[in-house]
Amino acid sequence: DAGVIQSPRHEVTEMGQEVTLRCKPISGHDYLFWYRQTMMRGLELLIYFNNNVPIDDSGMPEDRFSAKMPNASFSTLKIQPSEPRDSAVYFCASSLGIFANEQFFGPGTRLTVL
Amino acid sequence: SQQGEEDPQALSIQEGENATMNCSYKTSINNLQWYRQNSGRGLVHLILIRSNEREKHSGRLRVTLDTSKKSSSLLITASRAADTASYFCATDQNNDMRFGAGTRLTVKP
Repeated sequence: DAGVIQSPRHEVTEMGQEVTLRCKPISGHDYLFWYRQTMMRGLELLIYFNNNVPIDDSGMPEDRFSAKMPNASFSTLKIQPSEPRDSAVYFCASSLGIFANEQFFGPGTRLTVL
Repeated sequence: SQQGEEDPQALSIQEGENATMNCSYKTSINNLQWYRQNSGRGLVHLILIRSNEREKHSGRLRVTLDTSKKSSSLLITASRAADTASYFCATDQNNDMRFGAGTRLTVKP
């Protein structure tokens, strides 16, 4: 397996634009997580899915953020409209089982909102 | 808020020396994990220790867990320049996972 795949790896956009980040988890993993990493706040869990169903989105900063998982092999994190303070590295991770098991992280998407 | 808090924030050692990083947390946990992150890359899982375990080993890594003190330590023995990275602890409490701010380890050749 190629591991968790994220795209794009880098995204530069202007304030107000819509941004869509994509993730392909490891085949067979039933949990998918979206994280955001910044220097100020460290690594934050935004939302996680179990079998494509969102379980906990309490980490999503505000309504401008939304995440979907239409099938077991694909998830998106959307920011609309984007703001400069959304600039961060966004990681997707997947695992077999909830937090008691190892999470496999993707390479991340570095988002810059000008 | 971040549950796990690592210290030191930064650590610089010479190749061959041992590196010890600590993680403290505030509430009871089910397990604690250590991850490593190379600059600009995703996190890589190193080791998981469950709340009923006190010590685990994996190669040059040794992790201890003291639930009475709500703390864990990660020891890297005989460090190498390639160990240079940030190390994070992550705690699982009631299906809520929190990462600490990390320790930035620099191993000088």
